[in-house]
Amino acid sequence: QVQLHQSGPGLLKPSQTLSLTCAISGDRVSSNSLTWNWIRQSPSRGLEWLGRTYRTAQWYTEYAVSVKGRITISPDTSNNQFSLHLGSVTPEDTAVYYCAGGLGSLRFWGPGTEVSVSS
Amino acid sequence: QSVLTQPPSASATPGQRVTISCSGSSPNIGSNTVNWYQQLPGTAPKLLIYSDDRRPSGVPDRFSGSKSGPSASLAISGLQSEDEADYYCSSWDDSLSGPVFGGGTKVTVL
Repeated sequence: QVQLHQSGPGLLKPSQTLSLTCAISGDRVSSNSLTWNWIRQSPSRGLEWLGRTYRTAQWYTEYAVSVKGRITISPDTSNNQFSLHLGSVTPEDTAVYYCAGGLGSLRFWGPGTEVSVSS
Repeated sequence: QSVLTQPPSASATPGQRVTISCSGSSPNIGSNTVNWYQQLPGTAPKLLIYSDDRRPSGVPDRFSGSKSGPSASLAISGLQSEDEADYYCSSWDDSLSGPVFGGGTKVTVL
C-alpha cells in the first residue's frame, strides 16, 4: 500500500518561496505505474490541482496554468520523494497543500500541510 | 468558481438514498472519466469512485457512480451517519491539460 508523508514549513511571508516534500513508501517515484501530484485546497479556490511529475520512458512534468512560471515539481530518486517549490507567494497562496499519487485518479493522498502566507 | 458544478449541500435521513450531481462540459466530463472523492472533516480527500463507476477495494457498494454526456452523479444508498462528509467530483480537462474539481457537496445525515 502506498503511503505519502509530507514535510515543510507552514508559515511564509509574501514574496518567499514555498517548499514542500512528499516522501513515498510502498512504491518508487521512478516507477511508471503512478503520477505524483500536488493539489491545494482553500475556502476561496476549493480543490486546485497544481501539477505532477511522472516517468515513462523519460521524466515528464506538467503544471496548472494558474501557477505556471512560479512552480517547480521535482522528483528525487535517491530519497524516493518529490518536491514542490512555489515562488513569489502571496496571501492568495494560503491553503492546505496535499501530495497525491495515482493514475487517472488520485488514489493515494498525503495528510496535508497547512500553509499560511502573511506579513 | 469551480469548473465542475455541484450543489453545495444534500441531506437525507439514515437508510435513505441521496444523489449528488456534477455538471461539466465537453472538454472535461464530456470527454473523460469522472472520479469522486470523500473528505471527512480535518482529513485528506479519499478516492471513492474512479472511471465513472468503479469502486476501489474497501469502498462499500452503497456508493455508486454514473455518467451521461457532460454530467455525472454519485448515489449513496442506505445512508449512514459516517457518510457525513464533503464529496467532490473530478475529471481531466483537455483544455486546461489537468484535472479539475467540483466545488464540493456537503452531505448531512438528518
